[in-house]
Amino acid sequence: DSGVTQTPKHLITATGQRVTLRCSPRSGDLSVYWYQQSLDQGLQFLIQYYNGEERAKGNILERFSAQQFPDLHSELNLSSLELGDSALYFCASRTGGSDEQFFGPGTRLTVL
Amino acid sequence: SQQGEEDPQALSIQEGENATMNCSYKTSINNLQWYRQNSGRGLVHLILIRSNEREKHSGRLRVTLDTSKKSSSLLITASRAADTASYFCATDEMGGNKLVFGAGTILRVKS
Repeated sequence: DSGVTQTPKHLITATGQRVTLRCSPRSGDLSVYWYQQSLDQGLQFLIQYYNGEERAKGNILERFSAQQFPDLHSELNLSSLELGDSALYFCASRTGGSDEQFFGPGTRLTVL
Repeated sequence: SQQGEEDPQALSIQEGENATMNCSYKTSINNLQWYRQNSGRGLVHLILIRSNEREKHSGRLRVTLDTSKKSSSLLITASRAADTASYFCATDEMGGNKLVFGAGTILRVKS
């Protein structure tokens, strides 16, 4: 158990819909990262937050957005969903002064 | 975009044998990390090696890093059926905190 929690574990929705994925980092970790794992693209970095502020952006679509709240949990919002958005979405957190990123169990999103 | 290329794509060995997986990358890095993923589940952090280190051990794991060749290898000794999983290398590029993952090696250990 990495200490990073993600909800929900599974999400099934239809094209055009909007969903919110939630992540709670390890206690005390200020950095939160979101990654997407799909069959065709592999594991890709989406976005990073540090203590509530966006720090880095990767291959994140404009239809996707994220935020980190004062209690340090983070949410990834996916809108106007397409079939190709079906993937595993992982959240990871990192302790200041350390380089290891610890991953949550992921949310499996299926868009029908 | 994926930086790492992993080799082989798949590896099948008998229990007790050693398994070696290789990873190559393209840019300068701060460190390189190896992760294990069991069938569609979460990523488990295995080991981190910094750019100024050449070799690191953790239990049955041995990682080497050759920054001149931009490559790393992960050796799992005395493999067990429970080692069956996908293994990914991930590079932490200079000046950034994001991890760039390779495509992974699927390891199957037969008992």
